[in-house]
Amino acid sequence: EAGVVQSPRYKIIEKKQPVAFWCNPISGHNTLYWYRQNLGQGPELLIRYENEEAVDDSQLPKDRFSAERLKGVDSTLKIQPAELGDSAVYLCASSSRAENTEAFFGQGTRLTVV
Amino acid sequence: AQSVSQHNHHVILSEAASLELGCNYSYGGTVNLFWYVQYPGQHLQLLLKYFSGDPLVKGIKGFEAEFIKSKFSFNLRKPSVQWSDTAEYFCAVRRGTYKYIFGTGTRLKVLA
Repeated sequence: EAGVVQSPRYKIIEKKQPVAFWCNPISGHNTLYWYRQNLGQGPELLIRYENEEAVDDSQLPKDRFSAERLKGVDSTLKIQPAELGDSAVYLCASSSRAENTEAFFGQGTRLTVV
Repeated sequence: AQSVSQHNHHVILSEAASLELGCNYSYGGTVNLFWYVQYPGQHLQLLLKYFSGDPLVKGIKGFEAEFIKSKFSFNLRKPSVQWSDTAEYFCAVRRGTYKYIFGTGTRLKVLA
């Protein structure tokens, strides 16, 4: 079974430029998460989707960040414009609604803003 | 504020030494608890999880964790570490609606 797939793995951009990250969750997983992991920290939730609905986006900086999951499968996270402080690893995870299950993570996109 | 604390940020052990990594959380009520591991260059992977029942949970690769409700703790243990256990370990708490709160992680280095 394929895991959570993210692309690109690495991205270097200049500040004020836009950037987008893509995530393909595990087939059949209704719940999709975007996390940000700063250096030396644990992952922090940015947004959670149930199917195509964003049910928790309270931690998403909405002035520059946006996300979508149009058909309830793949998702895109965008930053426009990027700032130096956005440098981090952006993680996508997915889970099913089965009881006693866990979230499965992708390898992440390491963003460097210069 | 709701939080998950991992007190050991860096741990260095020799092979065959015993390991215990601390994890404390600050939520009341029912929680689900997890330990994830991230090997160098790889994604976060589940080591073990606790939902209910026996508070001593067995995971993969010889790891175990004990949930002590009165102490709000879920410490990770392994009797004898191997060089291949070198990784970063994250404790996570899930409460209610599928929101995972992670600790800051512990970097473990095992010397051969």
